[in-house]
Order: sequence, then C-alpha cells, then structure tokens
Amino acid sequence: QLQLRESGPRLVKPSETLSLSCSVSGVSINSPNYYWGWFRQPPGKGLEWIGTIYFSGSTNYNPSLQSRVTISVDTSKDQFSLNLNSLTAADTAVYYCAAWKWCMVYVCYFDYWGQGTLVAVSS
Amino acid sequence: QSVLTQPPSVSGAPGQRVTISCTGSSSNIGAGYDVHWYKQVPGTAPKLLIRDNNNRPSGVPDRFSVSKSGTSASLAITGLQAEDEADYYCQSYDSSLSGFYVFGTGTKVTVL
Repeated sequence: QLQLRESGPRLVKPSETLSLSCSVSGVSINSPNYYWGWFRQPPGKGLEWIGTIYFSGSTNYNPSLQSRVTISVDTSKDQFSLNLNSLTAADTAVYYCAAWKWCMVYVCYFDYWGQGTLVAVSS
Repeated sequence: QSVLTQPPSVSGAPGQRVTISCTGSSSNIGAGYDVHWYKQVPGTAPKLLIRDNNNRPSGVPDRFSVSKSGTSASLAITGLQAEDEADYYCQSYDSSLSGFYVFGTGTKVTVL
C-alpha cells in the first residue's frame, strides 16, 4: 500500500526558503506508474496545486508559484522534496504531498495523500 | 486562486438529498475535462470521493453520484448521513495560465 509522509520545519521566517520532504513507502519513487506532487491549503481556505514531478525528473509547476518553486526527487532515499523561496505570511498553510497513477493530465485525480504538515511563516 | 466556484455551504436532514455545484469555465469543465470530487474531514487530508465517470474508490457508497453539463459539474449525496458532514472539493484540469490542476472553493456539508 502506497504511503506518504511529509517532514520539515513547522516555522519559517519571512523571506527565507521552505524545504519539505515526502517519504514514500510501498512503491519505488522510480516507478514510471506514478506522479508525485505537492499541494497546500491555507488555514480555513481551499486546496492549491503547487507542482508535480515524474520519476524522470520532469516537472510542472503552478504558474502563480513557478518563479519560487523547485520540486526534486531523491531516488536513493525514495523521497521527493519541495523548495519554496521568498516566503511571506501568505505561504502559511498545511502542505500535503500526494501521489497518483500515471494519466493524461486532463483526466488525473489524486488518490494517495500524506497527512499534511502545517507550516507557519512568521518572524 | 480557486478557479472553480462552489457554494460555501449546503445542509440537509438525515435521509435527504443534497447537491453541490461546481462552476468553471471554457478552459476547464467547459472544455470537457474530467471533474473529480474529494471529501475532507477538518484536520485530515483530502480523500478522493468519486471520479468523473461516477467511479467510486473502494468503500465509497453509491449514495454519491456526479454529473456534468456545460461549464458546471455537480455532486449529489442521497440518503444523507451524519458521517457525510465534511468539506467537499471539486477538481479539474485547466488549460489556461491558471495552472494545470485546479480546485473548487469548497463546500461545507452540514447534517442537521
């Protein structure tokens, strides 16, 4: 059974960079059968897709965050990571990692989620 | 940021039927892209509830069904039960600069 778990800091200062990792178990992150991605949800608000990475390393990012986001894969650790720089209070959110089976982009749905980790941006 | 609009809340008595609308545009639902629905109990991760073609993951009862027309989609819950109380989100693909994957604004379902 595919399982995901986020790890990283709970508090980050404004203007700094957030680094989160997602540990994958049950499936190799090298599998061509899955996409890996990050989502976030500000307190009391809706869900936002941040970006996606495939085992090959190819990525797609939300245009509204593209200039500040990097997603990468560490195959030796079965992990993928999120880096988000130039943080502001608006980046305070619960960050989720997720996985979904390979699909044509216009039909994809997200069926495996981590538990989420709340990250606060504050001095 | 949400590209898909949902009513903030809907409510119903146990046993009743409620529907949640999800209104998009010609660059997402109107373009014919799939619409999927998620259920989120506060404090937990979203969970896939039902896919565009009314395909439900194992364990999801057939009280949940979806439909789509034009630039809108709907989720119907029949025989409302206490455990249905949660937030519900629609999700689709958007071909404009808004980004690949977009979510609805979310709807809180309250069981009276």
